[in-house]
Formats: sequence, C-alpha cells, structure tokens
Amino acid sequence: KAGVTQTPRYLIKTRGQQVTLSCSPISGHRSVSWYQQTPGQGLQFLFEYFSETQRNKGNFPGRFSGRQFSNSRSEMNVSTLELGDSALYLCASSRGQRNTGELFFGEGSRLTVL
Amino acid sequence: AQKITQTQPGMFVQEKEAVTLDCTYDTSDPSYGLFWYKQPSSGEMIFLIYQGSYDQQNATEGRYSLNFQKARKSANLVISASQLGDSAMYFCAMREGREAGGTSYGKLTFGQGTILTVHP
Repeated sequence: KAGVTQTPRYLIKTRGQQVTLSCSPISGHRSVSWYQQTPGQGLQFLFEYFSETQRNKGNFPGRFSGRQFSNSRSEMNVSTLELGDSALYLCASSRGQRNTGELFFGEGSRLTVL
Repeated sequence: AQKITQTQPGMFVQEKEAVTLDCTYDTSDPSYGLFWYKQPSSGEMIFLIYQGSYDQQNATEGRYSLNFQKARKSANLVISASQLGDSAMYFCAMREGREAGGTSYGKLTFGQGTILTVHP
C-alpha cells in the first residue's frame, strides 16, 4: 500500500516569496498533520486537518496556513518567506480515530529560503 | 518543563548487541500515547513502536521493544541485535489525549532525539 507522498521534495525560494507544499495521505487515512523540523527547534507541530477541517494548530504565525481537500490530500502554504522558514516540512497521516496509535510520515519537503 | 526528554544526544553500539535509548515524559493527562520513530539521513520518519498509557503489557515489534515504566514516566526503546542499518536519529514522542478536546490525534510532541551509531 502506498505511503504518505509529499511534493516537492526539495525547493529553493527567496525571502518574501510564498510556497505551497502538498501531501497525499495513505489511502483511507482522513487525518493529515504537518510538522516543521529545524536543527535548532527540532520537530514542531504546525496543524492537523481531519475531514477538511482544521482540528488543531501549533504556535506558528499566520503566515503558515493549510487546507485539506475532500480526497484527504492536504496543502500547506507559507507566505512572505523568511530565512528562518528554511526547514524540513513533514506531513503525517493517520485514520484520525481514537485507539489508533500509528501516525505515518512522508519523506518531507526540504525548503531552503535564500 | 520539557514534555519529552531524551538525555542521550548520541549512543554507540556494536553490531549484534542490544542498546537502550532513554525517554522520559511529563504529562498530567491520564490518557496518552508514546511513540518511537527512526529518522535516517534521508529524512523520512519511520514509525517503530507505540505504547498506550492504558496498555498493560510493554509493546514489542520485531527487534524493538518499549520498556514502559508508568510510575517513573519513562518509555525507553530497546533495540536487540543491532544492525548497521539501525544507525539513524531516534525520536521519542507523545500524544496527549486531551488535545483539542480529545479529538486531535495528529499532534505529537517530540524529544530532541538520539543519534545512534552502530559499529561493525
């Protein structure tokens, strides 16, 4: 069964630009979460979507936004990029239901902001 | 206070030996889940093992086992018979049941990780 797919895998942007990252969850999974990973801050939760609704949000500025489509695919957008937004962005999917332990991650999108 | 603490920045182990990676957690939520993930240099987070706070037995998955000591709030990962391919960063993470009124299952809090190096 196909895993979590993230595109693009690598991208380079300049300050002030915006970027959109895409995540396709495992078939049957309705929850998609996004994480930012940096050497200094480690792994930090951005937000979670379930059935097209944002269910939870981390402590990130409003420049970070996301959405989920009816087929459970999700996108996250970062506007007005800053140097500090350079990071590995990881997407994770799960069934999103109680007593379901597993949360599966994709390979990530590595963003470099120049 | 840190919710997840991994005190070992780096660990070394000889191939075929067992190794324990430490993880302590802090929560007042009676319902929580504990995860271990492996992250090779490629960046993908690979799910290894999960332990629910109400699970009576320690979780095991192949060569991975989780030494869950609830009273001590520790959830150490034990890797038996280490292999060269086990060299990677290992993260301990926790999901708290009360997140978003108990409906958010996608939010994990991660530790800083432990880099494991397996020597031949």
